[in-house]
Amino acid sequence: QKEVEQNSGPLSVPEGAIASLNCTYSDRGSQSFFWYRQYSGKSPELIMSIYSNGDKEDGRFTAQLNKASQYVSLLIRDSQPSDSATYLCAVTLPSGNTPLVFGKGTRLSVIA
Amino acid sequence: EPEVTQTPSHQVTQMGQEVILRCVPISNHLYFYWYRQILGQKVEFLVSFYNNEISEKSEIFDDQFSVERPDGSNFTLKIRSTKLEDSAMYFCASSFGHRRGGTEAFFGQGTRLTVV
Repeated sequence: QKEVEQNSGPLSVPEGAIASLNCTYSDRGSQSFFWYRQYSGKSPELIMSIYSNGDKEDGRFTAQLNKASQYVSLLIRDSQPSDSATYLCAVTLPSGNTPLVFGKGTRLSVIA
Repeated sequence: EPEVTQTPSHQVTQMGQEVILRCVPISNHLYFYWYRQILGQKVEFLVSFYNNEISEKSEIFDDQFSVERPDGSNFTLKIRSTKLEDSAMYFCASSFGHRRGGTEAFFGQGTRLTVV
């Protein structure tokens, strides 16, 4: 059974702070990792992908992957109220284009 | 910027009726997906489609569901006899596929299906 676990939150951070979102996955064969942002009533929006151990930075976002610990995280620097949303962690297996397995998401609230 | 488009945005149907949800994937993508999200729950995979056939499907995707790519642009999900528990947001997604250098899947804005 492939599982992706996230703390449902809410995670509340003040504006300008760093928000840290975490995700663990059960299938050690997972190879592709994604973070999606989902505003209430809207569709998932891809914000980061990461495939190798280590850090990957894109603007205010940094994804971190540790395959040995089966752990992936997302850091949001200089958090803004517009970052308030649910952040979904998703993983796939290495073979072909297997579907995404999503976590339940962490709700982030950035307080102005 | 290319995007996945879905129609309709909201569909209300009576239990037992057939519904067809429509999607136009990003034009040069090769893999197409349907996911659903019941209110308050996580996004769940239904089916993936590649080279004009189903490549993978979940336990949710039973005989009541079918997918089709009737022409070069549209990708449809049909639910033959809707049940109350089919009420959910249905998302279409598409990706290049890993052989083209990226497995990132991009989602359409969704169709909210309400079965009454």
